[in-house]
This record gives sequence, C-alpha cells and structure tokens, in this order.
Amino acid sequence: GENVEQHPSTLSVQEGDSAVIKCTYSDSASNYFPWYKQELGKRPQLIIDIRSNVGEKKDQRIAVTLNKTAKHFSLHITETQPEDSAVYFCAATGGFKTIFGAGTRLFVKA
Amino acid sequence: DGGITQSPKYLFRKEGQNVTLSCEQNLNHDAMYWYRQDPGQGLRLIYYSQIVNDFQKGDIAEGYSVSREKKESFPLTVTSAQKNPTAFYLCASSAGLAGVGEQFFGPGTRLTVL
Repeated sequence: GENVEQHPSTLSVQEGDSAVIKCTYSDSASNYFPWYKQELGKRPQLIIDIRSNVGEKKDQRIAVTLNKTAKHFSLHITETQPEDSAVYFCAATGGFKTIFGAGTRLFVKA
Repeated sequence: DGGITQSPKYLFRKEGQNVTLSCEQNLNHDAMYWYRQDPGQGLRLIYYSQIVNDFQKGDIAEGYSVSREKKESFPLTVTSAQKNPTAFYLCASSAGLAGVGEQFFGPGTRLTVL
C-alpha cells in the first residue's frame, strides 16, 4: 500500500543552525504535501504546505521543496530556535486520503 | 470559540467493552477524519468522511466503526474486536476540496484498556 518514509527520526541541532527533514512517498497520485508540528502534549498544527504544481515554497524561516519525479519532499528550518523543538510530521495527500510519515523529533539546543 | 473538540480527554475501558469517542466541529467543514497515534509512529488513518452520511475506511479500520449523521459530529466506536486499542486518538476536519487543504486537529483522547 501507499506509504511515506520520513528521515531522520531524531535530529539535534544547535540554536541558530539549520535543520532538514526529508520524506519520500509512494503514491504518484499524491498532489498535496503538508507539514505539521506537534509540541509535547498538544495537537498537530500545520506549519507549511505545498501543492504538486509548485517546486518550492517559503514562509519566513521555513521552506519546503518538492521533487515530484523523485517523489521526494523536504522541510528546511533556518536559524533554529529552542521553540522549534517539537515533533514534525510530513504527509502526502491523494484524494481525501492523507498518509503521514512517522515523525521527526527535533531538539534545538540553546 | 470555534474549533474542533474531542471528549473525553482520558478514557479507560475494560477488555471486551465497546467505547465511543466524541468529535465535534463548528468550522462548517465537510470532511472529517479519525487517526490513531502510537509512540514513535505517525498518524494512521482509521476512517474518514467526505460528507454527511458517507464515510470510508482508512488503513486500520478493523475493530472500529463510525457514523456521520450530522455535519458537525463524527463519533468513533472502538469495539471489542480491536486487538490493541490502547492509543492516542485524534480527530480532524478540513474544508479543502478533494482532501487538499489544512486539517484542523482536536486535542485528542487517550484511551487505555485495562
């Protein structure tokens, strides 16, 4: 069946450094790729998304890139801050079905 | 206060019992979803509903049932047939056409089977 692989599972960076999280998906019908942030004990919240007709999207310190040919998309966080520490989930949506990656736990050390 | 709510926050169940988790939204969203979250794993789709009186199985529907009699409500029943029901359950809704668009999540229900 369809799946989304996410790497790494854990990422530790120094405050101010960049963080990159990578995902690959299997369903070629996927056309929408959101990223969610889940802080400890809280609900997931959308931080950025990209549609299949766009290769890159940026929102302040966060950017997402999409390579449809390779079925690969990535989240880039620049100038990381301690409040960026959370679990990040990528997802791929085709129709009403969204498949989530297993998550990346990001630690930003002050 | 607009949004999506789930109740209860914590739920304990004895083996062999069915239990129903509540999910309500006042966002006027057509689509609603139920996910299960286990430690170290992503969110896995249990059921989704695109519109009232319609719902579809997700990847792990066995042992679960849902109904969608009202636009605002999408309750999930965890039946005794679910082999390992202890988990964190998240409900979500979205307004996007064909499933494209932000999903808004509820606060979750943590179910523990004793």
